[in-house]
Amino acid sequence: DVKVTQSSRYLVKRTGEKVFLECVQDMDHENMFWYRQDPGLGLRLIYFSYDVKMKEKGDIPEGYSVSREKKERFSLILESASTNQTSMYLCASSRGEPGELFFGEGSRLTVL
Amino acid sequence: AQTVTQSQPEMSVQEAETVTLSCTYDTSESDYYLFWYKQPPSRQMILVIRQEAYKQQNATENRFSVNFQKAAKSFSLKISDSQLGDAAMYFCAYRRGEDSNYQLIWGAGTKLIIKP
Repeated sequence: DVKVTQSSRYLVKRTGEKVFLECVQDMDHENMFWYRQDPGLGLRLIYFSYDVKMKEKGDIPEGYSVSREKKERFSLILESASTNQTSMYLCASSRGEPGELFFGEGSRLTVL
Repeated sequence: AQTVTQSQPEMSVQEAETVTLSCTYDTSESDYYLFWYKQPPSRQMILVIRQEAYKQQNATENRFSVNFQKAAKSFSLKISDSQLGDAAMYFCAYRRGEDSNYQLIWGAGTKLIIKP
């Protein structure tokens, strides 16, 4: 089975701190994604990557950056966390089968 | 732009009964995919069922089936013989068919409560 592992389930950070959220998948998937999940808004795509060192902006990239130095690892970076970035962050990967995403358990970030 | 609407923020059903979750979408495309994903409390989101728009036959996966009405742009999920483990958030999602990098568009989700 595909396993997508997110490094932290719960984080509490202060405004202005730099935050790293890491995601690792073990099935050699080309595509990796970072979503933000907020109640009533569904999932919104922040960034995705279809290859090492490649990245594409999603719907809400402002305030975020990403890094994909290795195929299995996709990191989300909040350069200067703000309270409006308090949310659940979901990482996913796929091998290209249309729409079949494999998700991690999520990282719930609280910015104070 | 494509949109996906789930009009029921919350639904409840008695265990062993049948429940239907609604989803409508808006698109001008003819080739696309539709999905239902399940997110159990504190657990990973998983794919429940997928429907290709060009297929007239409704997709079925065990107790889960869809009612796909292309002309009406409706894609409802029916869960038969509801079980306690079906309690979760359910998300409907759309993807355009042509481009393998094209991303999913998600509905807001429906919280399903199973009453024992």
